[in-house]
Amino acid sequence: ETGVTQTPRHLVMGMTNKKSLKCEQHLGHNAMYWYKQSAKKPLELMFVYNFKEQTENNSVPSRFSPECPNSSHLFLHLHTLQPEDSALYLCASSQEAGDGSDAYEQYFGPGTRLTVT
Amino acid sequence: GENVEQHPSTLSVQEGDSAVIKCTYSDSASNYFPWYKQELGKRPQLIIDIRSNVGEKKDQRIAVTLNKTAKHFSLHITETQPEDSAVYFCAARETGGFKTIFGAGTRLFVKA
Repeated sequence: ETGVTQTPRHLVMGMTNKKSLKCEQHLGHNAMYWYKQSAKKPLELMFVYNFKEQTENNSVPSRFSPECPNSSHLFLHLHTLQPEDSALYLCASSQEAGDGSDAYEQYFGPGTRLTVT
Repeated sequence: GENVEQHPSTLSVQEGDSAVIKCTYSDSASNYFPWYKQELGKRPQLIIDIRSNVGEKKDQRIAVTLNKTAKHFSLHITETQPEDSAVYFCAARETGGFKTIFGAGTRLFVKA
């Protein structure tokens, strides 16, 4: 499959569960992102990885834990979530200059629809 | 940090009319301004972008204008078609970092 893929597409979990979201990009990009999309809210940037190093952590609660083992894969580990964490979680990738001096289009995955019960 | 405001939140136009969506940003150092379209149940996709060294850019029926002094940028869609119905997001990229801040989105309805 081409572009950016995400699994699972839908996830229902209880507040005491531990689960992981997976993102894979097939575009040869060097930066990957996690966003949270809630109803009637802007896309909220959660984490940025550039060249496999985390460069941004947008004050995200510790119950969300990212992992980037290589430039093609990105995970979001979830534990003890709250009902307000229910949202669409979007992964994106882009090809960036190493120092962030220039910006380019982000390619989004289809998202994981997460419901916390 | 950067803050992006987007108006209107909802816009309804008749097919063939023009649609304009406006955004303002707070960080004068931001240098890249993309616009994304998200159809119902689908992923956001870039439709046009503009950099801070350019005042206007056009791609067929879509144009974007940037006023750096006023920190405004706008999306213009001419001859709207029903397939233009979607949510449109503006965004601003902070300089020297990797953060892109998105506006809240505009839901555009094009009535046939």
